[in-house]
Amino acid sequence: AQSVTQLGSHVSVSEGALVLLRCNYSSSVPPYLFWYVQYPNQGLQLLLKYTSAATLVKGINGFEAEFKKSETSFHLTKPSAHMSDAAEYFCAVSDAGTASKLTFGTGTRLQVTL
Amino acid sequence: EPEVTQTPSHQVTQMGQEVILRCVPISNHLYFYWYRQILGQKVEFLVSFYNNEISEKSEIFDDQFSVERPDGSNFTLKIRSTKLEDSAMYFCASRATTGTGNTIYFGEGSWLTVV
Repeated sequence: AQSVTQLGSHVSVSEGALVLLRCNYSSSVPPYLFWYVQYPNQGLQLLLKYTSAATLVKGINGFEAEFKKSETSFHLTKPSAHMSDAAEYFCAVSDAGTASKLTFGTGTRLQVTL
Repeated sequence: EPEVTQTPSHQVTQMGQEVILRCVPISNHLYFYWYRQILGQKVEFLVSFYNNEISEKSEIFDDQFSVERPDGSNFTLKIRSTKLEDSAMYFCASRATTGTGNTIYFGEGSWLTVV
């Protein structure tokens, strides 16, 4: 069964600093990987996805993630944090064969300080 | 941009009452899902639905839950006899079969409070 582990339930960065949110996956087959963002009192919005094309994936709002098979990782980064990036971020994995349900990580709450 | 819409956005119900949460998936999508998120916890899969039948369900999705696609546009989740522990945000989602078929699009959620 596929699973993802997000290290750090809470990350705090200063505005303008690098954002790094960690995600490691466990999958018996090449996975499809996703990052979703949840702003306060809102639904889940897709940030970016990896579907076995380029290993470096660029998403919305300046975020990107790199798929590293050797490390079973799919960490999310942004060079310069903005106050509006404060939200909950969820990594998720979907089986590549059926591409059906998503299995989510426990989420990382990003706080951005002045 | 097409989106998944859910109603109601917030519902308060008495324990033991039946609740129906409604969703309008993105048109031309054929895979539908319900997920839930208990406050402070991760998003959990409940059920997936394709071709007018359940394709997969989790252990959470027991006999008190049911889903239905009553017409060509709506997708509903029914909880027959609500319990306190059913209090959560319920997300509907949909996916196309081809093209961006691996992306699941989520609605804004329906917040259910059982008292």
